Amino acid sequence: NAGVTQTPKFQVLKTGQSMTLQCAQDMNHEYMSWYRQDPGMGLRLIHYSVGAGITDQGEVPNGYNVSRSTTEDFPLRLLSAAPSQTSVYFCASSTGQGGREAFFGQGTRLTVV
Amino acid sequence: GQQLNQSPQSMFIQEGEDVSMNCTSSSIFNTWLWYKQDPGEGPVLLIALYKAGELTSNGRLTAQFGITRKDSFLNISASIPSDVGIYFCAGRGDDKIIFGKGTRLHILP
Repeated sequence: NAGVTQTPKFQVLKTGQSMTLQCAQDMNHEYMSWYRQDPGMGLRLIHYSVGAGITDQGEVPNGYNVSRSTTEDFPLRLLSAAPSQTSVYFCASSTGQGGREAFFGQGTRLTVV
Repeated sequence: GQQLNQSPQSMFIQEGEDVSMNCTSSSIFNTWLWYKQDPGEGPVLLIALYKAGELTSNGRLTAQFGITRKDSFLNISASIPSDVGIYFCAGRGDDKIIFGKGTRLHILP
């Protein structure tokens, strides 16, 4: 199994550009989420989804959009990138029953100049 | 909103020493999780705790789910060089998993 796959691994954007960070999981997990990691700030929840067609905001949702059209995919969209969005982004998935731990992808390092 | 207070922020220890770190919250969680992150990698799950009072071990690691459901601790016994990294606690309420800011562990030669 591939687990949680994020693409791209690295990206540089200019201020105002848009892009989508991709996240896919092959574990049939119901829950998927996006976090950003900044030095000294730990992992902060951006958006999450409890199943296909359902999304909700986390701690720091502003400037990001998500959708969940399938169980496997949970893309994160930046509509107009800002330097404050320079960060490392992690996607995670977890089951809704029993084991409630989250499994993480390898991360996307995004720089906005 | 929900917040986790993780301490200490960093630790410098000698190889072979035991390590202890903890997390507290004003909110109740149904699950407590402990992760380790190596440079350039995503967090990897170390221990998951599902019931108040639960004490779980994974090799040299031991973690406990506090009775009040508002805290958890992680102990590492007889530290070795590969224990270096950032350790995160995380709490899960209903749907969201919230993370602490991490404890960076350094091992002195």
